Amino acid sequence: ETGVTQTPRHLVMGMTNKKSLKCEQHLGHNAMYWYKQSAKKPLELMFVYSLEERVENNSVPSRFSPECPNSSHLFLHLHTLQPEDSALYLCASSPSPGTGGQAFFGQGTRLTVV
Amino acid sequence: AQSVTQLGSHVSVSEGALVLLRCNYSSSVPPYLFWYVQYPNQGLQLLLKYTTGATLVKGINGFEAEFKKSETSFHLTKPSAHMSDAAEYFCAVSGNRGSTLGRLYFGRGTQLTVWP
Repeated sequence: ETGVTQTPRHLVMGMTNKKSLKCEQHLGHNAMYWYKQSAKKPLELMFVYSLEERVENNSVPSRFSPECPNSSHLFLHLHTLQPEDSALYLCASSPSPGTGGQAFFGQGTRLTVV
Repeated sequence: AQSVTQLGSHVSVSEGALVLLRCNYSSSVPPYLFWYVQYPNQGLQLLLKYTTGATLVKGINGFEAEFKKSETSFHLTKPSAHMSDAAEYFCAVSGNRGSTLGRLYFGRGTQLTVWP
């Protein structure tokens, strides 16, 4: 148990569906991250939030829309996804972007787009 | 810029044998270095990290790693493998200043198999 909780753990959605992934941390961390983990690819950093402001967006398609309503919660809203978006989506948090980089990861949401 | 290369996408050892997982990094600033482990259908768990100070770092589950600046390496070792060590291991680097702070760059991972 890392203190970072992701829901749901598994999600199957059609290409026309809209769904959201949720991440929650009660570690008092200021920074939160979304990563995508696809088979045979390095972990890809998608978004970085620091103090609820998005500080990094790594050319992620607009069909992925993050939201950080407060420092404890992070969402990833999904719409009109493609089959190649099927992956494990990992949320992480850290005390701040400037404290040595150690991140605490959630267990991930396994997303399958059909 | 920071990047990580993990040599060998798969490593197999017998139970009780030495585990050596290789990681080389590049960084334009002094690096912070990490090893994470991922068990099936789980997130990443921090094994150990190097920030400053002693270059030999001890982590959980008997793992350790040594930061060698001259070789730009941070190899992970464990003297005696256990079946429960079977997992995927990720090396990561971040910078320690400016825009590199907190931004983790991961290697592609090494799948460790432990044979009985």
